[in-house]
Amino acid sequence: ETGVTQTPRHLVMGMTNKKSLKCEQHLGHNAMYWYKQSAKKPLELMFVYNFKEQTENNSVPSRFSPECPNSSHLFLHLHTLQPEDSALYLCASSQGVISGGNSEAFFGQGTRLTVV
Amino acid sequence: AQKVTQAQTEISVVEKEDVTLDCVYETRDTTYYLFWYKQPPSGELVFLIRRNSFDEQNEISGRYSWNFQKSTSSFNFTITASQVVDSAVYFCALSEAQRNWGKFQFGAGTQVVVTP
Repeated sequence: ETGVTQTPRHLVMGMTNKKSLKCEQHLGHNAMYWYKQSAKKPLELMFVYNFKEQTENNSVPSRFSPECPNSSHLFLHLHTLQPEDSALYLCASSQGVISGGNSEAFFGQGTRLTVV
Repeated sequence: AQKVTQAQTEISVVEKEDVTLDCVYETRDTTYYLFWYKQPPSGELVFLIRRNSFDEQNEISGRYSWNFQKSTSSFNFTITASQVVDSAVYFCALSEAQRNWGKFQFGAGTQVVVTP
């Protein structure tokens, strides 16, 4: 496999459930990201990891808990979500700073989450 | 304050027409990077182009062309002779090298609908 892979592609969960989203990148990148895409809203940056260290938490509620065990894997643990958390969750990776610049990010296909 | 503005919510064209997508950005950094992404119905954001703030040369890639105007803080994207496969949401994004390193800030997106 190549690129950025997200699983599952679709997830329906109740408000009391606990589930996890998984992201894996095969590009040798050092930075990984979680974005939330809701209907009619711009993409919202949630978390950034550089070399497995979290460098950004964009005021995300604690019911979303990220985990980055290594540079290739990123998880988003979900618990006691609300219906308004229903959205497309996109994972991305990038090389980070290269030659003094920010490289482009490559995205997975996303997980379509529905909270009922 | 929104850093990337895509004023056009939706553009509908007939196949073979040209379509131009506007992107206006705001930053105080002297070094920054601009990107365009395409999001087809499958959900994955596909990287199209990266441009740094010191390179104002316009670029052409097949039917795609980009016009970077630092004086007006714009980075517009034109699809020439549009095709049905161009139907997608297109996002403009900004990455600042100093103040918000590592964050990709996206515009709201422009939905392009190409009909046969």
